[in-house]
Amino acid sequence: GIQVEQSPPDLILQEGANSTLRCNFSDSVNNLQWFHQNPWGQLINLFYIPSGTKQNGRLSATTVATERYSLLYISSSQTTDSGVYFCAVSQGGSEKLVFGKGTKLTVNP
Amino acid sequence: SAVISQKPSRDICQRGTSLTIQCQVDSQVTMMFWYRQQPGQSLTLIATANQGSEATYESGFVIDKFPISRPNLTFSTLTVSNMSPEDSSIYLCSGTGYNEQFFGPGTRLTVL
Repeated sequence: GIQVEQSPPDLILQEGANSTLRCNFSDSVNNLQWFHQNPWGQLINLFYIPSGTKQNGRLSATTVATERYSLLYISSSQTTDSGVYFCAVSQGGSEKLVFGKGTKLTVNP
Repeated sequence: SAVISQKPSRDICQRGTSLTIQCQVDSQVTMMFWYRQQPGQSLTLIATANQGSEATYESGFVIDKFPISRPNLTFSTLTVSNMSPEDSSIYLCSGTGYNEQFFGPGTRLTVL
């Protein structure tokens, strides 16, 4: 099956710093989503981005489908950005998501 | 976005018992899924909940351990049967709509 690799596994930032999270996938995909799991376990949808670039406030994402990677940018980080960021993909006609292992982000005040 | 609710939000259970988790989605959802997240790990798909028929299970998951029902378009249940401490996890229901998959708040299960 498809492999999804996220990097870095852990990231510690000071409030106000910028960061880039990466997601590599091993095959073509028809869906790619970024999620934020907050400390209470809730998965928050950030982006549905099988290709192209999107922005939402301080967050933006870019997927280069032909090169099989996606990037999530967080600017001017805040303590509330802390948590685990997951990339998940599906392929073919399936809607089943395969998750990466996540990037654990800690933003210190 | 789709609205998905789950209950219970958390439970502590004894070894050998069973727990049924309920998931309610809004009418915009088409497909429904159940995932497990073991402590400190990522999410793993348990099964696809099929309306009015048997669920489709992923490798490593069986119906006897995780029976699933979906009697109508907007409701599904997952039962964790004959529980052991290894079943302690967060169980999440999800649904697809508008090309995206949305998740419920999860059920945090602890088995003693």
